[in-house]
Amino acid sequence: EVQLLESGGGLVQPGGSLRLSCAASGFTFSSHAMSWVRQAPGKGLEWVSGVSDSGDYIYYADSVKGRFTISRDNAKNTLYLQMNSLRGEDTAVYYCAKQKTDLYSSFDFWGQGTLVTVSS
Amino acid sequence: DIQVTQSPSSLSASVGDRVTITCRASQSVVRYFNWYQQKPGKAPKLLIYAASSLQGGVPSRFSGSGSGADFTLTISSLQPEDFATYYCQQSYSNPQTFGGGTKVQIK
Repeated sequence: EVQLLESGGGLVQPGGSLRLSCAASGFTFSSHAMSWVRQAPGKGLEWVSGVSDSGDYIYYADSVKGRFTISRDNAKNTLYLQMNSLRGEDTAVYYCAKQKTDLYSSFDFWGQGTLVTVSS
Repeated sequence: DIQVTQSPSSLSASVGDRVTITCRASQSVVRYFNWYQQKPGKAPKLLIYAASSLQGGVPSRFSGSGSGADFTLTISSLQPEDFATYYCQQSYSNPQTFGGGTKVQIK
């Protein structure tokens, strides 16, 4: 059974940093691209960042480029999102999502999400 | 970036109704198009991938069609558990983009 378990969310002040983790199990982690998708309270879905299976290819939404860094450790079956210079508009539930194959495929499994609140 | 316009933003329907939701991309995405269902407080769930392929475990009353820039999700006979918000998404190019969502409510 595929499982994606996010952690690391919480309350942080504007300008602060946070590191999210996503522990994966139940599939061959190193064979799938992975992404982070967020959802602000009461709003729709926004793709944040994606990384290829090997980690060689990485993409970011313009809204987070230069502030967020995605990475993965295939030996630990874990996806990360380092978030720096956080702003109020980054407040959202952050979902880790497994892609069916590569970075151009659908998100076939999602974690339960972790809430990030940016506020003073 | 490719924009995805989803309509309607909400609809009211009865159990047994046929429901259609449409999305239009700002340029051709070939068939790199997907549909998700989200219930309150839950993560999204993949329904349809590659425009018309049914994800495993998804009831056959859900179907997807289209190619290029215009896509449709159809629920052939709405069931009580289908009341939710539906999102479309293009995965043709990064940044991948979602439609604004369609909330399906009980009439």
